[in-house]
Amino acid sequence: GESVGLHLPTLSVQEGDNSIINCAYSNSASDYFIWYKQESGKGPQFIIDIRSNMDKRQGQRVTVLLNKTVKHLSLQIAATQPGDSAVYFCAENRSGSGNTGKLIFGQGTTLQVKP
Amino acid sequence: KAGVTQTPRYLIKTRGQQVTLSCSPISGHRSVSWYQQTPGQGLQFLFEYFSETQRNKGNFPGRFSGRQFSNSRSEMNVSTLELGDSALYLCASSLGSTNEKLFFGSGTQLSVL
Repeated sequence: GESVGLHLPTLSVQEGDNSIINCAYSNSASDYFIWYKQESGKGPQFIIDIRSNMDKRQGQRVTVLLNKTVKHLSLQIAATQPGDSAVYFCAENRSGSGNTGKLIFGQGTTLQVKP
Repeated sequence: KAGVTQTPRYLIKTRGQQVTLSCSPISGHRSVSWYQQTPGQGLQFLFEYFSETQRNKGNFPGRFSGRQFSNSRSEMNVSTLELGDSALYLCASSLGSTNEKLFFGSGTQLSVL
């Protein structure tokens, strides 16, 4: 089917540790992937994106890894802070006029940061 | 630059009524997409508008409709509300290509009683 799934619904980490949130996608035609963070009462907030011609992309304290062979995407957050507590969604898009504005979202992983 | 603005923030309606939600995109963005978010189904694509035309549509019944104005502002309408329509409705804007990030508003929380 066409879905982007996440491996774990909840991830609990200690403040200062690194966090890794995983995502599996099923359609090899997907060529763009994006991670969003959603805090309570807010809309999804862009974190980082990656295109299928890349394996890794780094941002500020975040890294996204893409393994096209096994259709796996991960988000790494370095030195996790309490402000990182939120629900994280991966999403995919595919090239083509029929896919503009149409992201397919995974179910989300709740990240809990323990002080 | 102002972000995506959605109004109202909260709505309470009863079954059978209709509702209109509003979205103002980021200045310069011509594409507006709408999503429904529920605990059970997650985030699901409703439709996308670009230059006042609906370009793409998700798998929702015809009770869900939308439109876009010449200034790129968009509205979505849900007629004959059902209990299952209770959800957070999110609007996102972008420049209008594929493979680009969408910028989301804070959403309209709709409760149908």
